[in-house]
Formats: sequence, C-alpha cells, structure tokens
Amino acid sequence: GAGVSQTPSNKVTEKGKYVELRCDPISGHTALYWYRQSLGQGPEFLIYFQGTGAADDSGLPNDRFFAVRPEGSVSTLKIQRTERGDSAMYLCASSAMQGPYEQYFGPGTRLTVT
Amino acid sequence: GENVEQHPSTLSVQEGDSAVIKCTYSDSASNYFPWYKQELGKRPQLIIDIRSNVGEKKDQRIAVTLNKTAKHFSLHITETQPEDSAVYFCAANAGGTSYGKLTFGQGTILTVHP
Repeated sequence: GAGVSQTPSNKVTEKGKYVELRCDPISGHTALYWYRQSLGQGPEFLIYFQGTGAADDSGLPNDRFFAVRPEGSVSTLKIQRTERGDSAMYLCASSAMQGPYEQYFGPGTRLTVT
Repeated sequence: GENVEQHPSTLSVQEGDSAVIKCTYSDSASNYFPWYKQELGKRPQLIIDIRSNVGEKKDQRIAVTLNKTAKHFSLHITETQPEDSAVYFCAANAGGTSYGKLTFGQGTILTVHP
C-alpha cells in the first residue's frame, strides 16, 4: 500500500515568511509524528498526534511552530516568521497506534530559509 | 528526558566482515528500541526493532541485542555487503505517557568496502 507522503518535497522561503508543510500518513494509522533532521544529525522529535489531538508537543522549539490534524489523518506543520535556523529536513512518520510501535517515515520536506 | 548515545560515529569494514554499532539510553522506563537505516537523500527506513521483554532478535543478517540492566543495545550486521553502506540510527522511546516519542542517537556512518 501507499506509504507516508509529504508535500512539498522542497520549500525555499525568505526569512520572516510563513510556511506550511503537509503530511499524509499511511491509511488507518492513528498516530502521526513530526521530526526535524539537521545535516549529520539524527531526527529530533517535534510533536505527535493520536487521532486529532496533540499527545505531546514538547519538542516544538517555540511558539512560531504549530501543527494540526483536524480530521485525524492529514497533518500540517505551520511555521510563522521563519528564521534561517529553521532550515532543515522536516520528517513525518506514522504508526498504527500510539505507543511503542513501528514508525514509518515519509520522504521529508527540505526547508531552506534564505 | 531520554538521552541516547551512539558509537562509533563512523565505521569502515571490508565486505564480508561483521559490523557492530552500540547505543546507550538513560530512561529506565524505555521499552522500545528501533534501528533505522538512512541512505543519502532518502528517508529513514526501519530495519529491525526490539522490545524490552526480549534480549535478542534476528532477521537474516541483522540482529539486535538489548541489556536492560546496563541500558544499552547493539546492532549486529554479519556478512556485510556494499549495499549496507548507509547511516544507521538507533532510537529509544520515552517512558511514561509519551511512550510513542522516539529519541535518536547521533548516527553511525557505515562504509562497506568491496
């Protein structure tokens, strides 16, 4: 079946602009995770959803970052007033259910803030 | 919070040799330990995982061992092939109610020379 998909694959934006990154999880997966990966580093947790609600948003760096999952499927990560330090690969993963279960990653969105 | 340390950062082996990557974790409540392989420009791919109720798991040329007392786990690849060359990440889940959240190690760049 179809895996996790993310759009866009690449996003270049100017400092101060607003961006939205989209994630389509594997069909039927109730848990959805956002991670950020900088070059040469492991993925860093941002937020995860169980259904429509954010179960843990402790990894969001500051209040410029926000994520939603209104219908319990597609999720959007929103970044306001982007800064050059936000440049990274943003990865989404989904899991059949919340908890210690296999997480499958999407291809990521490469965000570059100029 | 959870802290995961991974060693070595780089590993170079000859084709046919074995490779071992080691990780330690800090949260004694962690109970799920996946390993991901990431090729250049690609998404992290889950290759094997282990839960805290077992000490070892094998899948063809790949095995993972877990020592809960010492809080460390290792990835073993036997009969390495050039296509095993990639960055490998270990991870551990958070304890408590946020047990889906993964903390990743810093990664190991594995190079298998033909």
